Amino acid sequence: EVQLLESGGGLVQPGGSLRLSCAVTGFTFNTYAMTWVRQAPGKGLEWVSSISGSEMNTYYADSVKGRFTISRDILKNTLSLQMNDLRAEDTAVYYCTKGNWNDDWGPGTLVTVSS
Amino acid sequence: DVVMTQSPLSLPVTLGQPASISCRSSQSLVSSDGNTYLIWFQQRPGQSPRRLIYKVSHRDSGVPDRFSGSGSGTDFTLKISRVEAEDVGIYYCMQATHWPPFTFGPGTKVDIK
Repeated sequence: EVQLLESGGGLVQPGGSLRLSCAVTGFTFNTYAMTWVRQAPGKGLEWVSSISGSEMNTYYADSVKGRFTISRDILKNTLSLQMNDLRAEDTAVYYCTKGNWNDDWGPGTLVTVSS
Repeated sequence: DVVMTQSPLSLPVTLGQPASISCRSSQSLVSSDGNTYLIWFQQRPGQSPRRLIYKVSHRDSGVPDRFSGSGSGTDFTLKISRVEAEDVGIYYCMQATHWPPFTFGPGTKVDIK
């Protein structure tokens, strides 16, 4: 059974940093692309970033490019999202998903950017 | 970037009756490999989204067969043949043909009349 579990969310001041993690089990982690999708309070879904499987190519939404970095640790079966220079508009629930097509989703972790 | 639109944005339905959601893309979603990467998600209240359908019409495992997807090019439809109470939620379409970025529609809220 595929399981994805995000952690690392919380309250951070504008300009601050946060690192999200996603622990994955139930599939061969290094053979699948992985994705972060976010959802601002009461709003729709927004693609944030993806990382390919074996090639480790990374992709970012324009809204986070240069501030966020996606990475994966194959030995720990963990996906990460380093978020720097956070802004109020980054406030959202961040979901870790399997694949580019979001086959499976974690429960999400809430990031609140506020002073 | 491909812009995804959905209609209606709100859909009150009667239990047992059919429901239909339209999704349109600003450009054709036919890929150079001949496939069309249009995906549907369901988000029940208080839950994470869940994928229902991929490549226009392929139902995911465990998705009831009352859900069906159809369409081509720029026009797509998600149909629920007979709405049940557990179908209440927000439905999103997403294109995965022209990426990055992957783009979602604004969502259609389905509730019971």
